[in-house]
Parts: sequence; C-alpha cells; structure tokens
Amino acid sequence: DVKVTQSSRYLVKRTGEKVFLECVQDMDHENMFWYRQDPGLGLRLIYFSYDVKMKEKGDIPEGYSVSREKKERFSLILESASTNQTSMYLCASSFWAAKSNQPQHFGDGTRLSIL
Amino acid sequence: KNEVEQSPQNLTAQEGEFITINCSYSVGISALHWLQQHPGGGIVSLFMLSSGKKKHGRLIATINIQEKHSSLHITASHPRDSAVYICAVRSPLYSGAGSYQLTFGKGTKLSVIP
Repeated sequence: DVKVTQSSRYLVKRTGEKVFLECVQDMDHENMFWYRQDPGLGLRLIYFSYDVKMKEKGDIPEGYSVSREKKERFSLILESASTNQTSMYLCASSFWAAKSNQPQHFGDGTRLSIL
Repeated sequence: KNEVEQSPQNLTAQEGEFITINCSYSVGISALHWLQQHPGGGIVSLFMLSSGKKKHGRLIATINIQEKHSSLHITASHPRDSAVYICAVRSPLYSGAGSYQLTFGKGTKLSVIP
C-alpha cells in the first residue's frame, strides 16, 4: 500500500516563527503536492513538485515556500508564521499522469495552529 | 480555472436510504475523482473515472462528460458512511511533462443516522 507520511498530526507555533512541515512518500511518485483545507473553502493547492528540485506555485503560494531535495520528501515552509495560516495541511503524491491512471494519495494531515 | 460545484453541502439520511451527491464542473477535464474524508482528516480516494460508471461495493460513481456532471451514489447507507465526500477534477499542467492539477469541490458532509 502507498504510504504518505506527514511528520506531525498536530502542531502549535507562535506568530513570526519559521515552521517546517515534512512529507515523505514510499512509492517513488514523481508528483508531490501541498494543500491547505479550510472550512467553507475546501482544499486549495499551495505548491506542487513534479521532480526533484522542481517546484511550481499553486493557487495560494503567498507566505509559503517548499523544498524537494530528494524524490521521496517534500517540505512546506512557513517563512514567518501568521495567524491566518492556522489550518489543516495535507500532503499528497502521485505518479505522472502519463505513467499511471492512479489517483493522488493523501497523508493524514497536519492541524497547525498559529498563536 | 475550473469551477467545481457540489450539492448538497450537507446531507442527513436514515440508515438504509439511497444517497446521491452531485458534482458539476465548468471546463473539460481528463478525469474526475471522488474522495472520502473521515473526521480526523485522512483522505481516501474512492473512484477515479473519465467516462461511464464505476462500482465498488455499495458505492457507484457515474460521469457524463458532455454535461460536465458526475454523481456519487451510496446504496443501503450505513452510519459508517458518515464522512465528507469531495469531488475533484483533474486537469493537465503544462509546466511539467505528465503532471496534473486537481481542483476540488467544497465537499458534502454526510451524516447517516441509525
């Protein structure tokens, strides 16, 4: 079974801190994604990566950056955390579309609170 | 950008009822996903379909490409089906070969009462 592991289920940080959210997948997927999920807004794409060291902005990249130094790991970084970044963060991974008809696989999510 | 609308937003059903959740989208797609999210956050993919109909146990998903519409049906609903059901449409991304993006509906919260 595909496993997408997020480093923390719950995280509490303070305004202005630099926050790292880590995601690891074990299926050799090329694509990795970071989403945030907010009530009434659904899932929104922050950043995605289709290869090592490659990254593309999603719909709401402001205030975030990402790092993908190894194929299996995709990190989301909040450079200076703010209260409006309190949310549920979900990581997902998948093969390239041309290689597989399989869906994205999601981690269990990290509920991040910024105080 | 694709707009994805789901209805209803909330649904309460008695155990055993037949349930339908609808999804419509605005731009042509390569595939559509139905996802399930239980309290606690984890998301599981139920179906991915690009045409016709798929069935898995008590779940049936259909898609009409011409009408840009999909439905998820649950037969003989059970309290363990209580979850948020999310429709997501898949569009290709041109920045990377073979990469694609999902655009999500806001979800339908289903509660099945014993």
